[in-house]
Amino acid sequence: DAGVTQSPTHLIKTRGQQVTLRCSPKSGHDTVSWYQQALGQGPQFIFQYYEEEERQRGNFPDRFSGHQFPNYSSELNVNALLLGDSALYLCASSPGLAGPFDTQYFGPGTRLTVL
Amino acid sequence: AQSVTQPDIHITVSEGASLELRCNYSYGATPYLFWYVQSPGQGLQLLLKYFSGDTLVQGIKGFEAEFKRSQSSFNLRKPSVHWSDAAEYFCAVGAWDTGNQFYFGTGTSLTVIP
Repeated sequence: DAGVTQSPTHLIKTRGQQVTLRCSPKSGHDTVSWYQQALGQGPQFIFQYYEEEERQRGNFPDRFSGHQFPNYSSELNVNALLLGDSALYLCASSPGLAGPFDTQYFGPGTRLTVL
Repeated sequence: AQSVTQPDIHITVSEGASLELRCNYSYGATPYLFWYVQSPGQGLQLLLKYFSGDTLVQGIKGFEAEFKRSQSSFNLRKPSVHWSDAAEYFCAVGAWDTGNQFYFGTGTSLTVIP
């Protein structure tokens, strides 16, 4: 049973560019959440998708957007990249919207470097 | 709003020694508390979680944590540390009104010396 997978593993972009990160949830999971983990910090919640809709959003600007596909996989898009967007981006999946009772399973992350 | 504080940025322990990692939370209602571990190049792995009931929670890899409402704490413990426990440890809090949104602490880095 494959866990949460993310691609690519590493990515280097320049300021002003746009980036798309991808996530495939654990089998049987239909909810995907995205987190940003800056160096030396804990993960910060970006947003969560369920049934192809954004259900919750953290304190991130509109430059951060996402999408969920019918097969539950998800994309995170970041426009107009800033140096401060350099971070490890984590995807987590869980079954349904039952709230914090559900354990989230995290992928290994995508390391984004903005030059 | 919820918040989580992990006062120790870095801890070093000898292999075989006991370990306690501190976590304090701030939340007005009943919190749901979690400890995750992150090894280099790995995703976050859930060690244990507390929702209700017995305040002493057993987790994987020999870890346990105790919820103390009066102290707003949820400290992680292990009686005997192994070299493979070296990693970054994160405490997190969630609640019904935030759905699956978790608030993470800034983490404690654990070094284990032989």
